[in-house]
Amino acid sequence: NAGVTQTPKFQVLKTGQSMTLQCAQDMNHEYMSWYRQDPGMGLRLIHYSVGAGITDQGEVPNGYNVSRSTTEDFPLRLLSAAPSQTSVYFCASSSQGYEQYFGPGTRLTVT
Amino acid sequence: GENVEQHPSTLSVQEGDSAVIKCTYSDSASNYFPWYKQELGKRPQLIIDIRSNVGEKKDQRIAVTLNKTAKHFSLHITETQPEDSAVYFCAPGGNTNAGKSTFGDGTTLTVKP
Repeated sequence: NAGVTQTPKFQVLKTGQSMTLQCAQDMNHEYMSWYRQDPGMGLRLIHYSVGAGITDQGEVPNGYNVSRSTTEDFPLRLLSAAPSQTSVYFCASSSQGYEQYFGPGTRLTVT
Repeated sequence: GENVEQHPSTLSVQEGDSAVIKCTYSDSASNYFPWYKQELGKRPQLIIDIRSNVGEKKDQRIAVTLNKTAKHFSLHITETQPEDSAVYFCAPGGNTNAGKSTFGDGTTLTVKP
């Protein structure tokens, strides 16, 4: 099992550009989430999903969109990148909301 | 939503000493109480968890205790070693919260050799 995978590992964007961060899991988990982690800070929930076709907003959803068309994939779209979105992004999956398995993270810099 | 507080925010101990980190939460519906460890530059990983029908769980040098009435749970690390140096997060939640976890702000533990 690969667990939770994320691409890309690193990304630099210019203000106003858009992009999609990819996340996939092969554990057949129903629940998937996106977090952002700013330097020296905790993890803040952006969006989450409890199954294919179902998504909801977390604590800091503005500027991000998600969709969940399959159990395996949960991409995060940045609509118009801003310097405030410079952060490390983690995708996570879990079964029934219990132990979360995290991907390796995407380090995003917006200039 | 869930209000989660972790204390202390930083903790420095001598190798071999014990360390205790406390997490308080507000949502009485939470039924799952995990602790995650994040080493520098790495992803968070679960180190121990407890469910609401149990008061204490131990795994070698680490333990978690839960007080559901007071709505707090604690991470205990005994005989600390330099490799225990990391940031520790609590994230109360479970299947009653529709998969929505709120993480504490983290505790930076430094174990001095």
